Amino acid sequence: AQSVTQLGSHVSVSEGALVLLRCNYSSSVPPYLFWYVQYPNQGLQLLLKYTSAATLVKGINGFEAEFKKSETSFHLTKPSAHMSDAAEYFCAVSGSSGSARQLTFGSGTQLTVLP
Amino acid sequence: SQTIHQWPATLVQPVGSPLSLECTVEGTSNPNLYWYRQAAGRGLQLLFYSVGIGQISSEVPQNLSASRPQDRQFILSSKKLLLSDSGFYLCAWSTSGETQYFGPGTRLLVL
Repeated sequence: AQSVTQLGSHVSVSEGALVLLRCNYSSSVPPYLFWYVQYPNQGLQLLLKYTSAATLVKGINGFEAEFKKSETSFHLTKPSAHMSDAAEYFCAVSGSSGSARQLTFGSGTQLTVLP
Repeated sequence: SQTIHQWPATLVQPVGSPLSLECTVEGTSNPNLYWYRQAAGRGLQLLFYSVGIGQISSEVPQNLSASRPQDRQFILSSKKLLLSDSGFYLCAWSTSGETQYFGPGTRLLVL
């Protein structure tokens, strides 16, 4: 079984400030971890993924995340927020092995960027 | 490149009416296909997934059903909609069981 906890359902940052979105996971198997972004009334877009290679993963739009096994965390960061980063962000963990891995999603974090 | 389509984009239906949402994928063969529901202010709930034609696994018991009549077509249905079926329905695909890629979604409002 696997689960994801995203700390903070709403995060506000000023434009140009550091973005930090927190994600903690639990998994009974070595996890694959994902961050997705969702803009209003749109589907989810993959930002980045961890699949047991490098622990620091770089994604699109300047985002990156670091896998820390000891802390069971996969926090998402961006050095400088842009207005266009305002969206909802979902962390997800991949569960069972096999041909159809299941994704378990966190409840999401709504990011607001203040001018 | 691969693309995923969902239609309709928006749907308003009365309680008790039937439902059919369609998802198609282009540019890949034998994908794994998924249906999720996203209720207002909540995360994503996996409803069904399919690893091949006619193979459907249900994750949550409810009044919805899914079918996969063709390799790249996934349909979500209901015989009688409930108010609680309102939400944003997302279809996704994957290959090799790894990353899932999502469609644009269908917004369903049941009145």
